[in-house]
Amino acid sequence: EDQVTQSPEALRLQEGESSSLNCSYTVSGLRGLFWYRQDPGKGPEFLFTLYSAGEEKEKERLKATLTKKESFLHITAPKPEDSATYLCAVQDNTNAGKSTFGDGTTLTVKP
Amino acid sequence: GAGVSQSPRYKVAKRGQDVALRCDPISGHVSLFWYQQALGQGPEFLTYFQNEAQLDKSGLPSDRFFAERPEGSVSTLKIQRTQQEDSAVYLCASSGTLNNQPQHFGDGTRLSIL
Repeated sequence: EDQVTQSPEALRLQEGESSSLNCSYTVSGLRGLFWYRQDPGKGPEFLFTLYSAGEEKEKERLKATLTKKESFLHITAPKPEDSATYLCAVQDNTNAGKSTFGDGTTLTVKP
Repeated sequence: GAGVSQSPRYKVAKRGQDVALRCDPISGHVSLFWYQQALGQGPEFLTYFQNEAQLDKSGLPSDRFFAERPEGSVSTLKIQRTQQEDSAVYLCASSGTLNNQPQHFGDGTRLSIL
């Protein structure tokens, strides 16, 4: 059974203070790992897809990296508008339709 | 509209009543997914469709939950004889294909069972 564990559960940063969020996963064969952002009262918003170890994707202040066992979401010089819950999800090769999500990291960036 | 649309946004029902939640996916998207999200947790998979075919319903918690997508577009998630533990946000997502494609989510229906 696929498993996704995210840490920390909550992270409070000062504006401009860089940090990383962790997503550890167990999957029989990785089809893809996805990062989403979720604001209160909204559905998850897609950020990145990573397919294989060593891959990196960047978007503005966010960079996602992938190893065989975990993924990191690096946040550089965050701003208050980056405050949200960040969710990680995996799809495995045996069941393409099903995504298994972690419980997320709630990020708060103070000005 | 351009995104996934869900209705109603909020639903309050008494225990034992039946409810129906609607999802309008992005036009042309073949795949449609339903998730249940409890407060403070990540979404949990319920079921998915490719066109009108329900390919996996392994996440449905009981036989009180039923989903359909008769014409391969709009989908309805029905919950019969609701229980308090059914209270959650129900999210719908769609994607163009199954293979490695990100899922685009609606804003969900918040269901409260009294």
